[in-house]
Amino acid sequence: AQKITQTQPGMFVQEKEAVTLDCTYDTSDQSYGLFWYKQPSSGEMIFLIYQGSYDEQNATEGRYSLNFQKARKSANLVISASQLGDSAMYFCAMRVGFQKLVFGTGTRLLVSP
Amino acid sequence: GAGVSQTPSNKVTEKGKYVELRCDPISGHTALYWYRQSLGQGPEFLIYFQGTGAADDSGLPNDRFFAVRPEGSVSTLKIQRTERGDSAVYLCASSLTTSLTSSGELFFGEGSRLTVL
Repeated sequence: AQKITQTQPGMFVQEKEAVTLDCTYDTSDQSYGLFWYKQPSSGEMIFLIYQGSYDEQNATEGRYSLNFQKARKSANLVISASQLGDSAMYFCAMRVGFQKLVFGTGTRLLVSP
Repeated sequence: GAGVSQTPSNKVTEKGKYVELRCDPISGHTALYWYRQSLGQGPEFLIYFQGTGAADDSGLPNDRFFAVRPEGSVSTLKIQRTERGDSAVYLCASSLTTSLTSSGELFFGEGSRLTVL
């Protein structure tokens, strides 16, 4: 069965530093997609970045990059130059089929001044 | 606003009561999803609509849960005979694309927090 594992319940980082949030996945599908979402205290899920299983290059979106290691089945999120507004829950998710997402349990990131 | 709108934002009810949660997707989005997020967990898929029809309802936990989208826009999630275990945040999302095979991301609402006493 498809599964997402996020082993870091919480992470701390100082402002302007980089931080890596871990995500490993389990699937027997050859074609899949991996997503990262940010969930601030308001509750909505905000899309950050996407990586397709056949994408050769690691995805990047501004300060976000995805360290995709297919053989290790990992899809870690790297946030560079952390800002106070980055404090939130972060969820890794995998597409199952064409429409369904399976989420991990999340990592709470706290950025300190 | 232009985003996904969910009402009510908070709902407290008693065990055994009936509850309706409403989702107003982004205009023009044909795909609509319901997810449930229990405390300390990630969202779990409940149901997916393509237009008016439920294309995949495999995540609905039991027959107390039902969702409709009669005109292909607003959707209502209905929970009968609520139980304490139904307490969670119910998230609605919509998407312009019919599949998530690219970065066709979901746009989520802020959720409806349901508390069953």
